[in-house]
Amino acid sequence: KAGVTQTPRYLIKTRGQQVTLSCSPISGHRSVSWYQQTPGQGLQFLFEYFSETQRNKGNFPGRFSGRQFSNSRSEMNVSTLELGDSALYLCASSSRDITDTQYFGPGTRLTVL
Amino acid sequence: GENVEQHPSTLSVQEGDSAVIKCTYSDSASNYFPWYKQELGKGPQLIIDIRSNVGEKKDQRIAVTLNKTAKHFSLHITETQPEDSAVYFCAATLYNQGGKLIFGQGTELSVKP
Repeated sequence: KAGVTQTPRYLIKTRGQQVTLSCSPISGHRSVSWYQQTPGQGLQFLFEYFSETQRNKGNFPGRFSGRQFSNSRSEMNVSTLELGDSALYLCASSSRDITDTQYFGPGTRLTVL
Repeated sequence: GENVEQHPSTLSVQEGDSAVIKCTYSDSASNYFPWYKQELGKGPQLIIDIRSNVGEKKDQRIAVTLNKTAKHFSLHITETQPEDSAVYFCAATLYNQGGKLIFGQGTELSVKP
C-alpha cells in the first residue's frame, strides 16, 4: 500500500507570492489533515478535511486555505507569503478521523525569501 | 484551548538503558494521546497511543502510561538501541469528529552505542 505522498518536496518562493501544496492520502483514507512544523513553534494544526468538507481549523490567518477533492486528494494554499511562513508542511491521512492512526507524508519544505 | 508541555527537550542515554519522556496537558476533556517518532527528513510516525479509558499500554520495548487526575502521560522506552535516536512528540486531542492534535514541543533522543 502506497504511503502519503506530498508534492513538491521543496519550494522556494519570495515574499508576496502564493503557493499551492498537494497531498495524496493513502488509498481508502478519507480524512486529510495539514500541519505546519517550525523549529520555534513546533507542530501546529492547520486544518482537517473529510469528504471534501473542512471539519476543523487551527489558529492560522485566512491566508492559509485548503480544499479536498472527491478522490480525497487535498491541496493547501498560502497567499501573500511572509518570511515566517517558511516551514515544513506536513499532510497526514487517516481512515475516518483524527483519532484513527494518522499516517504522515514526508512533507513539503517551503522557503520564503 | 488545549496546551501540551513536553520534557525534557533533549535526552541522551547509553545503549541498553531506559528512556522516559513526560507530557502534561491542560484540557481535562482530552481523551486520546498518541506518540510520534520523527527521523531526519521524514514525517512523524505513530509509535503508540493511549485512550483515556486505559491507564497503561505496552508494545514490546515501548510503553505509555496515563494519569488522568494529574493530566500527564509518559513514554517509556526500554533497552534502547541506536536506531531509537530521533525526535519524539506527544500529542493530545478530544475524541470528537474533526478533533485536532495538539503536539508537545518534542524531545530529541540520542542513544549512544
